[in-house]
Amino acid sequence: TQLLEQSPQFLSIQEGENLTVYCNSSSVFSSLQWYRQEPGEGPVLLVTVVTGGEVKKLKRLTFQFGDARKDSSLHITAAQPGDTGLYLCAGFYQAGTALIFGKGTTLSVSS
Amino acid sequence: DTAVSQTPKYLVTQMGNDKSIKCEQNLGHDTMYWYKQDSKKFLKIMFSYNNKELIINETVPNRFSPKSPDKAHLNLHINSLELGDSAVYFCASSPVRDYGTDTQYFGPGTRLTVL
Repeated sequence: TQLLEQSPQFLSIQEGENLTVYCNSSSVFSSLQWYRQEPGEGPVLLVTVVTGGEVKKLKRLTFQFGDARKDSSLHITAAQPGDTGLYLCAGFYQAGTALIFGKGTTLSVSS
Repeated sequence: DTAVSQTPKYLVTQMGNDKSIKCEQNLGHDTMYWYKQDSKKFLKIMFSYNNKELIINETVPNRFSPKSPDKAHLNLHINSLELGDSAVYFCASSPVRDYGTDTQYFGPGTRLTVL
């Protein structure tokens, strides 16, 4: 059973377009994180959202945590080729348990 | 200034062999992890150690044995390698044992190919 479902799995867009990646669950998470992974490297944390309804912005990236803490979204405005990579959502299902990852969204931005 | 380092970066071996992957972190973190990323990029935790003590073992076959000689090192030894063990293995560390918001700092990964 996959606790965190990410969509879309693949996304290929042109530079300058906007996009949204979704991370959904039927379970409540204490927090959700978004990581970005480039080829040949390990994932790097972008943001952690903790409070239901929380919105965080990181330059052109906007992260939202659902009110019920069951879902999150990542919106990128005016995508650039440097945004290309694998975006992973991850969350702690219960205190004391391990971090659970979604299956990721592979984003390709062409110029 | 590497925070989490792993060796080797690539490992190609025959079925049935035994191999080890080493991991070191210089961040002063108490908790270290091993993750496996399969060919579809799905990342799943294998083990977690806190201050040299095993705290999470996610039903990994006992052919996999982590060893933590000190809190800065967490090595992974794999016996009798199988084709299905082919994957990228990531070591990670985190500063506190707070699973609510803990940031994982990942190493660059070791790509294991079993022939």
